Formats: sequence, structure tokens, C-alpha cells
Amino acid sequence: AQKVTQAQTEISVVEKEDVTLDCVYETRDTTYYLFWYKQPPSGELVLLIIRNSFDEQNEISGRYSWNFQKSTSSFNFTITASQVVDSAVYFCALSDAYSGAGSYQLTFGKGTKLSVIP
Amino acid sequence: NAGVTQTPKFRVLKTGQSMTLLCAQDMNHEYMYWYRQDPGMGLRLIHYSVGEGTTAKGEVPDGYNVSRLKKQNFLLGLESAAPSQTSVYFCASSYQDQRRGYTFGSGTRLTVV
Repeated sequence: AQKVTQAQTEISVVEKEDVTLDCVYETRDTTYYLFWYKQPPSGELVLLIIRNSFDEQNEISGRYSWNFQKSTSSFNFTITASQVVDSAVYFCALSDAYSGAGSYQLTFGKGTKLSVIP
Repeated sequence: NAGVTQTPKFRVLKTGQSMTLLCAQDMNHEYMYWYRQDPGMGLRLIHYSVGEGTTAKGEVPDGYNVSRLKKQNFLLGLESAAPSQTSVYFCASSYQDQRRGYTFGSGTRLTVV
């Protein structure tokens, strides 16, 4: 079965520091999708990125960047020059076809709580 | 606005009571899901549906039932609520094409006393 591990439960950084959130996944499928979601204190889930297994290019979006390494089954997320508004719980998730019943299922890691201190 | 709507947003139940959570989406998504979120556990899949009239069990289905009589609606029922079902429940929907991602509702905070 698929599995997502976010080893960092909580991280605290001082504003303007860079921070990397780790994500390691397991899947038997060759085609899969990886996601990062942000959950701010208000509770909603905000999609940050979708990446498919055939695209190993790293991606940058403003202060956010993602490093996808298939060889180590990792999909790490870096925030550059962190801000207080980045304080949230961040979830890494995996969607693959090996869930059976003809449906992809989104499997979440347990999340990393990031606190950015002013 | 288009999206996933969950009702109610908050609910307090007594042990043994029953209730139904409603999820409605207006994006013509084929797939719909119910997750629960507990502290330190991430989101765990309860049940899901790949189309009208079909449902399947997820990771933590015990104590819940679901129905999808219409494509746009996915109902989650608790027949006899237990304190262990205190949680935040999220509904989500998606196209079959995973590249288009999942859309989540804003959540229902349920407390069972």
C-alpha cells in the first residue's frame, strides 16, 4: 500500500530564514502524483503543487520550491525567506493507481506544523 | 462560487445519536471522498465513490456509512456516534484525471460527548 512519511512533526524558524519540509513516499505504481497542501489556522486545505511521477524537474513558485527525487522517493518543499503568514500545517500527499477499485486515492502524511516567529 | 460545500460546519452530538454530513460539488467531478482529520494523524480516508451509486471503503470505514444517489452529492452517516468519532471531517472531489487535483470542502467539526 502507498505510504507518505513526514518525519518532522513541528518546526520553528525565525522570520526570513529558509526552511525545508521533508516528504518521503512509498508506492508500487510507476504512475503517481504528489501533492503539497497548506492548512493555515483557519482550517481549509490549500493546494500548493501537483507533480506527476514522470516529471522530475524541480519547480519554483515565488518563495516556494520543490525538489523531486525519484531515486530516493522524496518530494521536499522549501520556503525561502519565511514569513509569519507561512505559519501553517503542511501536508504531503500521494495519489496512485494501486489502490484498487478503479480509483486513485489520496494518501496523506501526518503533516508538519511550521511556526514562523517574527 | 464553484467548489465543494459541506454542511453543517459544526455539530455537537451525544453518544449514540445519529447524523448525516452532506457534501455537494458543482464541478461535475466523478470521484468523491470523505476524510477525517485527527491531531497528529493527518487526513485518513473513510469512504470514497467513483461514481453515482457506487461507494467503497477507505482506510477507516468502521462506524460510518455513505451514499451517493446523485453525482453531485456524497453523504456520510454516523448511525450511533461515539466519542472516538470526534474529528474534523473533510469532503473532497476530483476528476478521474489526477493532474487536475482534488478540491476540498472547508470541513465539518464534529464533537461527540
